[in-house]
Amino acid sequence: EIVMTQSPATLSLSPGERVTLSCRASQSVGIYLAWYQQKPGQAPRLLIYGASTRATDIPARFSGSGSGTEFTLTINSLQSEDFAVYYCQHYNNWPITFGQGTRLEIK
Amino acid sequence: EVQLVESGGALVQPGGSLRLSCAASGFTFTRYWMSWVRQAPGKGPEWVSHINEDGSEKYYGDSVKGRFAISRDNAKNSLYLQMNSLRVEDTALYYCARVAYGGGHFWGYWGQGTLVTASS
Repeated sequence: EIVMTQSPATLSLSPGERVTLSCRASQSVGIYLAWYQQKPGQAPRLLIYGASTRATDIPARFSGSGSGTEFTLTINSLQSEDFAVYYCQHYNNWPITFGQGTRLEIK
Repeated sequence: EVQLVESGGALVQPGGSLRLSCAASGFTFTRYWMSWVRQAPGKGPEWVSHINEDGSEKYYGDSVKGRFAISRDNAKNSLYLQMNSLRVEDTALYYCARVAYGGGHFWGYWGQGTLVTASS
């Protein structure tokens, strides 16, 4: 099983700031990496797939990069609606696994 | 509009069984892989099971393999999860999810979830 490790666990930032979230895979997943955003009481929302392709209707301030074992999600100019929990997920092989999440808090 | 509506969640004793259902609408059901993904309270999502378009391929997470069975009825646009030998650690909100596009096992559409609680 591929273990996905996200860091940091929590980030406290202010609106307007730029943030980079990290996700590391225990072995290479190529570019088979997705990012999700989840707000309280809601299902996860797909942001990025293929490590760097934005999903439909996702604002351009969200960008993903990386390949192999190291990935990042960058959010430029944080908006109030961006404060949530973010998860990475690999889909390179079975079993599919998620990271434990990074919580983005308002400072 | 894509809609996924889960049902069947309940409080069940450890060792018991439950069958979850998901009614899909707003897309051509037969063209997509479908999945169950669960989320325990305060935890991240956990992939449970995956089924291909015609039901001939099925995959399971290690924690549920041999106890859970995924199936689909394409005539009814429905997805199912038969859960047997339930454990306390199976307690979670169970989401029905559709892969985002024709290829790639990541999910662009999710239901609202149905709660399964395994407790005595």
